[in-house]
Formats: sequence, C-alpha cells, structure tokens
Amino acid sequence: AQTVTQSQPEMSVQEAETVTLSCTYDTSESDYYLFWYKQPPSRQMILVIRQEAYKQQNATENRFSVNFQKAAKSFSLKISDSQLGDAAMYFCAYRSVPGKSTFGDGTTLTVKP
Amino acid sequence: NAGVTQTPKFRILKIGQSMTLQCTQDMNHNYMYWYRQDPGMGLKLIYYSVGAGITDKGEVPNGYNVSRSTTEDFPLRLELAAPSQTSVYFCASRPGQNTLNTEAFFGQGTRLTVV
Repeated sequence: AQTVTQSQPEMSVQEAETVTLSCTYDTSESDYYLFWYKQPPSRQMILVIRQEAYKQQNATENRFSVNFQKAAKSFSLKISDSQLGDAAMYFCAYRSVPGKSTFGDGTTLTVKP
Repeated sequence: NAGVTQTPKFRILKIGQSMTLQCTQDMNHNYMYWYRQDPGMGLKLIYYSVGAGITDKGEVPNGYNVSRSTTEDFPLRLELAAPSQTSVYFCASRPGQNTLNTEAFFGQGTRLTVV
C-alpha cells in the first residue's frame, strides 16, 4: 500500500520569509499525481498545488512551488513571502488509482507577524 | 453553485445509535468520497464511488455503509455508533472519468461525537 509521510508535525515562519514543508511517499507505481492541500481553521480543504509524476518541471502557483524528486520519492512545498493567511494545516496527498488518494498526517504551519 | 454540501455540520450520537451523513454535489462529478479525520491526523478514506451505482471500500470501511443511487448524492450510514467513530467526516467529489489529475472539492465537514 502507498504511504505518505510528513515528518514535520509543526513548522513556523516569520511573515515575508520562506518556509519549506517536507513530504515523502512510498510507491511502486510509475504514473501518479501528488497534491498539497491547505486546511485553515475553517476546516475547508483547499487545493494548493499539484504535480504529475511524468513531468520533470516543478509545479508553481504564485508564491507556492514544489521540489519534486521522483527518484527520492520526495515532494516538498515551498511557500515564499509567507503571509498571515498562510497559517493552516498542510496535507500532502498521493493518487495513483482514480478512485483513491492517500493523505499524510499534516504539518501545522504558524506564521509569526 | 453550492459545490459539495454536507449535513449535518455537528452531531452527538449515543453508543449503538444509527445515523446517516448526507452529501450532495451539484457539479455533475463522477467521483465521490467519504473521509474521516481524527484529531491531528490526515484524512483516511472510508468509501468511494466512481459513478452512480458503483461503490468501493477505502482504507477504513468497517462500521460504515454507503450507496450511490444518483450522481448527486452519496450518503454515509453508521449503523451502530461506537466511540471510535468520533471524528470529523468529509465528503468530496471530483470530475473526470478514469483520470488522476482533477481537483477534489470538499464539503465543510461533519463533526461527529459518539458518547
């Protein structure tokens, strides 16, 4: 079974600074997608960014970018110019079968003013 | 456009009681999911559906049942509530057919407490 590991239960960053959240996964599949979701205190799950395993180029969405290392099975999220509104729990997710996604246990990000 | 709607938002059940968590989406999505999220943890897949009339088990299906009679609705049934089912439940849907890349849209969650 696929597993997703987020080794940092909590992270903090100063406003306007950069922070990187780690995610590793275990799979024997060659075709899959990876996702980062944000869950603020409102509990709403919000897609931040997605990456296809076949694409070598790292995905970028405004201040959010990923460092995808397929051989190392690593998928980290970098948040640049951190804002107070970025404070949330962040989940890494893996999907290789259309019906299923596997989520990590999350990293709680605190942004200090 | 309402997206994914879950009801109720909160519920307290007594041990042994039954209830149905409702989920409906108005986006004509094929895929629908039920997850549970225990405190400080990630989402665990309970059941999912790839289309009307088709359902399958996820990681943690024991104690739950689902049905998918229409594209829009995907109710989750708890038959004999147990304290271990205290959790926040999320319903999600996403478009596509046999695709991996489409975004999943989540409901606001149902906080269930079993006492």
